[in-house]
Amino acid sequence: GIQVEQSPPDLILQEGANSTLRCNFSDSVNNLQWFHQNPWGQLINLFYIPSGTKQNGRLSATTVATERYSLLYISSSQTTDSGVYFCAAENTGGFKTIFGAGTRLFVKA
Amino acid sequence: NAGVTQTPKFRVLKTGQSMTLLCAQDMNHEYMYWYRQDPGMGLRLIHYSVGEGTTAKGEVPDGYNVSRLKKQNFLLGLESAAPSQTSVYFCASSYGKGAEQFFGPGTRLTVL
Repeated sequence: GIQVEQSPPDLILQEGANSTLRCNFSDSVNNLQWFHQNPWGQLINLFYIPSGTKQNGRLSATTVATERYSLLYISSSQTTDSGVYFCAAENTGGFKTIFGAGTRLFVKA
Repeated sequence: NAGVTQTPKFRVLKTGQSMTLLCAQDMNHEYMYWYRQDPGMGLRLIHYSVGEGTTAKGEVPDGYNVSRLKKQNFLLGLESAAPSQTSVYFCASSYGKGAEQFFGPGTRLTVL
């Protein structure tokens, strides 16, 4: 099945800094999503982005499907951005969505 | 519009006990999913359903059963709980194949 790898595994930022999170996937995908899991465990949808670029406030994402990777950009980070960021991919061959192991982000005030 | 809801939010079981987790969605979605999340890991798919009356196995189906008798509900059953099933369980739904998935708040299950 499809493999999903995220990097870096952990990231510490000073408030106001920018960062880029990466998601590599091993096969063609129907669906690529980015989620933020907050410290209370809630999963928040950030982007549904099987290809192309999207922006939402300080966050943006780009998926290059032909090269099998997606990037999540966080600009001017805030302490509320802390948590775990997951990407999840569903390959074109089936219905199963595979999650990466996540990037744990801590933003210091 | 409540989205995806899960009951209960927390549960403690003894080894060998059984229980059912309920997921409900009010978005008229065809597809529904059950995942588990273990500490420090991403979510893993247990079972999924592509429509009322259908179910299929995901990555980690052993020890679980599911039913989709109504389009809006997806039930996850543990017939004989084991400590290895201690986890946080998330339900999700989507419009169709490859569509955006929306998640419930999770159920924290501890098996002693």
